[in-house]
Amino acid sequence: AQTVTQSQPEMSVQEAETVTLSCTYDTSENNYYLFWYKQPPSRQMILVIRQEAYKQQNATENRFSVNFQKAAKSFSLKISDSQLGDTAMYFCAFMKHNSGGSNYKLTFGKGTLLTVNP
Amino acid sequence: GAVVSQHPSWVICKSGTSVKIECRSLDFQATTMFWYRQFPKQSLMLMATSNEGSKATYEQGVEKDKFLINHASLTLSTLTVTSAHPEDSSFYICSARVPGQGPEQYFGPGTRLTVT
Repeated sequence: AQTVTQSQPEMSVQEAETVTLSCTYDTSENNYYLFWYKQPPSRQMILVIRQEAYKQQNATENRFSVNFQKAAKSFSLKISDSQLGDTAMYFCAFMKHNSGGSNYKLTFGKGTLLTVNP
Repeated sequence: GAVVSQHPSWVICKSGTSVKIECRSLDFQATTMFWYRQFPKQSLMLMATSNEGSKATYEQGVEKDKFLINHASLTLSTLTVTSAHPEDSSFYICSARVPGQGPEQYFGPGTRLTVT
């Protein structure tokens, strides 16, 4: 079974600054996907970024980037130029890379509540 | 694209009654949908995988007779909480992935269930 650990229950950052959220995971799989989702106060889950384990290059989406260290099983999220709208719960998630509907299951970490202060 | 809706957004029901929550994929056909439960300030816990035209696959510890899932069409899955009790009060979220477009799951806005 896979486990996802987010060791920072809460973090805060000043507007326009950079913050990094940490995530580690445990798996015996070699091929898999990692995701960061955000859940703002509206509670709508929004995909932030995705990383395929077979890709060495770190994924980037505008102000969001990841530091994927496969050997260390680490997958941190860096948010640059933080904005007030980034205030949300951030969840790290793992998915095995297998075909078949039931194998597209997500395993979530416990989340990190990020507050961006003006 | 990839919009998932849920109805209702919130519901209050009395203990002992049943309540149905709908999950719809609005702009794509979803052969598989997922149902999650989220307690306040906690993470999402997968309850079951809903497969169109076949029985749902439940996670360990989830009572299949209590949480009935029906995926009758390629755009609709329903979760029925039967004989609801106050401990069933929670936030229920569904998700779906777009077939052939990668592993990402797209989430509905959630349904807050309160059982009195």
